[in-house]
Order: sequence, then C-alpha cells, then structure tokens
Amino acid sequence: GESVGLHLPTLSVQEGDNSIINCAYSNSASDYFIWYKQESGKGPQFIIDIRSNMDKRQGQRVTVLLNKTVKHLSLQIAATQPGDSAVYFCAESNNDYKLSFGAGTTVTVRA
Amino acid sequence: NAGVTQTPKFQVLKTGQSMTLQCAQDMNHEYMSWYRQDPGMGLRLIHYSVGAGITDQGEVPNGYNVSRSTTEDFPLRLLSAAPSQTSVYFCASRSLYKAGGRETQYFGPGTRLLVL
Repeated sequence: GESVGLHLPTLSVQEGDNSIINCAYSNSASDYFIWYKQESGKGPQFIIDIRSNMDKRQGQRVTVLLNKTVKHLSLQIAATQPGDSAVYFCAESNNDYKLSFGAGTTVTVRA
Repeated sequence: NAGVTQTPKFQVLKTGQSMTLQCAQDMNHEYMSWYRQDPGMGLRLIHYSVGAGITDQGEVPNGYNVSRSTTEDFPLRLLSAAPSQTSVYFCASRSLYKAGGRETQYFGPGTRLLVL
C-alpha cells in the first residue's frame, strides 16, 4: 500500500477563499515532505517543502504545516485564484533517492 | 536552460513491441528518475540513477530497463510492451549536492503511452 495519502480526492473552493489540502502519511521515518502542483497535461511542479525538524513553512500565498504526532501534512493556499485549479500531490521521503507520492487532490476554483 | 525534456509526447504501441522513452536534462543534475502515473494514483518510481553508470530500481521496475551513459540522458526502455504499461511517464532530475539539504526534483512534461 501507499505510505502517503490525501484525505479528500476533490476540493471545490470559491475564488478568493483560502484552501486547505490535507495529507496523511504512515512512515514515521520520513523526514522530508513536498507539495507538488500538477496542471492538466503537464508534469508536477514544486510548490513548497518542509523538513521534519520544522512544523510550519511559508511561501508566497502558500503555507505547509507538519504535525508529526499524528503524521499529518497540510497545504494552505491563501486567496485562491483560478490559476490554482490543479491536482495537488504530497510526497514524502526518508532518503535522498526515493520519493513516495500520495494519490492527489483535485482542486477546482469557482468564479 | 530547457530543463527536463521528454520525447515522444505520445506513443501508441501494440502488445509485444519494444520502444525507448527519451529523457534529457541540461542542468548537470546527478540524479535522474522515471515515474509512471496512472489514473487516480500518484506517481510511482520505476528506476532512478545517481550518476553516469549507476542505476537502481524503484517501486515498480518490472518490464522496464534503464541505462545512464551520460549525465544528461536517461532513457527508459520497454522490452515487450503490455497493456498494463499504458500510462503517463514522467522523467525528473535534481542535484544531489545542494547546500542546505535536498534539492527539489524538476519534472519533464511527460510521455503518454497507450499499449493496445
């Protein structure tokens, strides 16, 4: 089975609202986590990452939260825009060579 | 920089045929990898390489071969295509020696493969 998964396969959000995408992981040895965005017909694009020695990391309009106690990762997108419509994947790793992806959450932004 | 490039963009094969998916990167990255993406699933690692002449298996290596003769190129070979190999294939690369820790992977645009 997969070591990384997302709670919801789809998320519909009103333009301008904040989005929260969740991810659960089961490998307690994982020490590096990444969020990717994949638009239709394209390869995954890096959004933000976080290491296990951190609880929170912020980027431009995005924040990743890591709760190691319950093995939970979330991505928050502020002021969601139409261009944020995509599939979002979390991924985890415990070494330099192998990355495990979750199944993805499809985010649809309503105008 | 072109980044990570993949050819072809789309391919149709008959069962039993062989083919090579091409991947190239111009960022001098040591690490390159191949993933497959199936509907409703995340990406699954097929093979990876940490440098020229060095390859290793990922999560789903059966039915695929790789080689790494140069830093730039990392072709994926399907020896005898099967319908179960119908998928979208992504190549990715990254540096292994970025100061401060792990470097993110950069993905190519993908190759859509249909095996009849």
